[in-house]
Amino acid sequence: KAGVTQTPRYLIKTRGQQVTLSCSPISGHRSVSWYQQTPGQGLQFLFEYFSETQRNKGNFPGRFSGRQFSNSRSEMNVSTLELGDSALYLCASSQGLGTDTQYFGPGTRLTVL
Amino acid sequence: AQSVTQPDIHITVSEGASLELRCNYSYGATPYLFWYVQSPGQGLQLLLKYFSGDTLVQGIKGFEAEFKRSQSSFNLRKPSVHWSDAAEYFCAVGHLSSNTGKLIFGQGTTLQVKP
Repeated sequence: KAGVTQTPRYLIKTRGQQVTLSCSPISGHRSVSWYQQTPGQGLQFLFEYFSETQRNKGNFPGRFSGRQFSNSRSEMNVSTLELGDSALYLCASSQGLGTDTQYFGPGTRLTVL
Repeated sequence: AQSVTQPDIHITVSEGASLELRCNYSYGATPYLFWYVQSPGQGLQLLLKYFSGDTLVQGIKGFEAEFKRSQSSFNLRKPSVHWSDAAEYFCAVGHLSSNTGKLIFGQGTTLQVKP
């Protein structure tokens, strides 16, 4: 089975722009979670989707949003980019919720100039 | 508040030496615990997980971890480190009795292996 794929792998944007990141989960997985990884804050939970519904949301401003499609693929969007949004954004998929193991993708490296 | 602490930011060991990475958690409910490893430029790979049962858990790449409820710890061990083990290691906790996969991660421990 193919693993979790994320596109693009690298992005460079300027302040004020918006960006959309994409995540394709492992085939058969219905849950997708997103995490932000920065040197200062470490790994922080952004949101979790299951069957196209947001099940959980982390403590991030409304500029961060996401969605999940019927094929379980997920996108996250960040509007009005700030320098502090520069980070590695990781997507993880699992079969269901709760104790199902989460498998992580390679991440999208976002740089905001 | 729920939290995970990895007291050691950076550890250096010689190849062939034993390794122990520390992890302490603070969690009000029954936790489930994970160790992940991240190589430079890569995502996270699951080493092992603990939900219940035997408190000594075996993982991939020769790693094991022991859950100690009385100490709120879940330390990762390996008897003999290989140069390829150099990476960043993350301990994480999830909520066992809740229907969510949300994980809380520690700050990570960077492992350097000396030849």
